Amino acid sequence: TQLLEQSPQFLSIQEGENLTVYCNSSSVFSSLQWYRQEPGEGPVLLVTVVTGGEVKKLKRLTFQFGDARKDSSLHITAAQPGDTGLYLCAGALKAGNNRKLIWGLGTSLAVNP
Amino acid sequence: DAGITQSPRHKVTETGTPVTLRCHQTENHRYMYWYRQDPGHGLRLIHYSYGVKDTDKGEVSDGYSVSRSKTEDFLLTLESATSSQTSVYFCATRPGQGERETQYFGPGTRLLVL
Repeated sequence: TQLLEQSPQFLSIQEGENLTVYCNSSSVFSSLQWYRQEPGEGPVLLVTVVTGGEVKKLKRLTFQFGDARKDSSLHITAAQPGDTGLYLCAGALKAGNNRKLIWGLGTSLAVNP
Repeated sequence: DAGITQSPRHKVTETGTPVTLRCHQTENHRYMYWYRQDPGHGLRLIHYSYGVKDTDKGEVSDGYSVSRSKTEDFLLTLESATSSQTSVYFCATRPGQGERETQYFGPGTRLLVL
């Protein structure tokens, strides 16, 4: 069974705090994606990382892909209430001509004003 | 926003009845997917399509069938709905298989099977 474990599962913090969310697996991924999902809506892609060690920044969000391409982290600096939502990671596995996404269960983040 | 609409957005049905969910996209994306999202299980792939009339099973395909007769439409049918199929169903599309290509999700359909 291919698993992608996210931690923590729930996080409630005050506005202005920093946080890090982790996504770990024993599988090697060809790429890894991070999504944010708000209640009643579908997930929205935030970033895709492809190269081992790759770091991408999206305003106050920093994404890193592990050197071995088995894990990733999302760091949010000075969190704001608008960052509230469910953060999902998804790792891509290639099998021949097919590409399969393995999804984590998500981290539910609440940023309180 | 890839112009993905799902219909209906909400549905209540009874066990044993057939149900069809529709996904419509306006971006001419080649790949289309049906997922279900459940607490404790996350997003699970039901079926996907890699072109008109080309479909394949995902990890939880039992009890579901799909059809894609046009690029823009991907239908998911629950042949005989069961309570275990109560879920939120998401359609997604993707232009191609490149690693950096974005997968876009629709707004979801909430299905309750009584």
